[in-house]
Amino acid sequence: DSGVTQTPKHLITATGQRVTLRCSPRSGDLSVYWYQQSLDQGLQFLIQYYNGEERAKGNILERFSAQQFPDLHSELNLSSLELGDSALYFCASSVVVLEAGELFFGEGSRLTVL
Amino acid sequence: AQSVTQLGSHVSVSEGALVLLRCNYSSSVPPYLFWYVQYPNQGLQLLLKYTSAATLVKGINGFEAEFKKSETSFHLTKPSAHMSDAAEYFCAVSDRAGANSKLTFGKGITLSVRP
Repeated sequence: DSGVTQTPKHLITATGQRVTLRCSPRSGDLSVYWYQQSLDQGLQFLIQYYNGEERAKGNILERFSAQQFPDLHSELNLSSLELGDSALYFCASSVVVLEAGELFFGEGSRLTVL
Repeated sequence: AQSVTQLGSHVSVSEGALVLLRCNYSSSVPPYLFWYVQYPNQGLQLLLKYTSAATLVKGINGFEAEFKKSETSFHLTKPSAHMSDAAEYFCAVSDRAGANSKLTFGKGITLSVRP
């Protein structure tokens, strides 16, 4: 158990819909990262938050948005869903230290768009 | 920008045989390098990391990796494969530490272990 909690574990929805994925980081971790894992694209970095502020952006579509709340949990919002958005979405958290820290991953939220 | 290349998508070995999973990196600054493992239906977990200390890094479950700057490589090895090693393995690179660090992952290699 990594200590990172993601909900829901599975989600099936239709094209055009909107979903919200939730992540609770490990206790004390200030950084939250979102990754998308699909068969064709592999593991793609979407976005990072640190203590409520956006710190880095990767290959995140404009239809997607995220935020980190004062209690440090994070939500990833996916809207106008397309078939190609079907993927496993991972949240990870890390302790900010002077050297590169380890990422602790949740078990992921599997999104299926029909 | 940093990147990693993992050659091949699937490696199959016999139980007890040597495991060698290749990773080459590209980074404009001294990199931090990682190997993560993903077991079926689970998230990724760290096997080992290189952060500019010893070039030979030992990780969990008997895995180790050697940082070779001249070859821009960070290959993962294990002397004797076990059935429980069957999983997907990801090499990753970061070019900085601290609050702005993020990992760039390779496409992953699926390791199968034959009895």
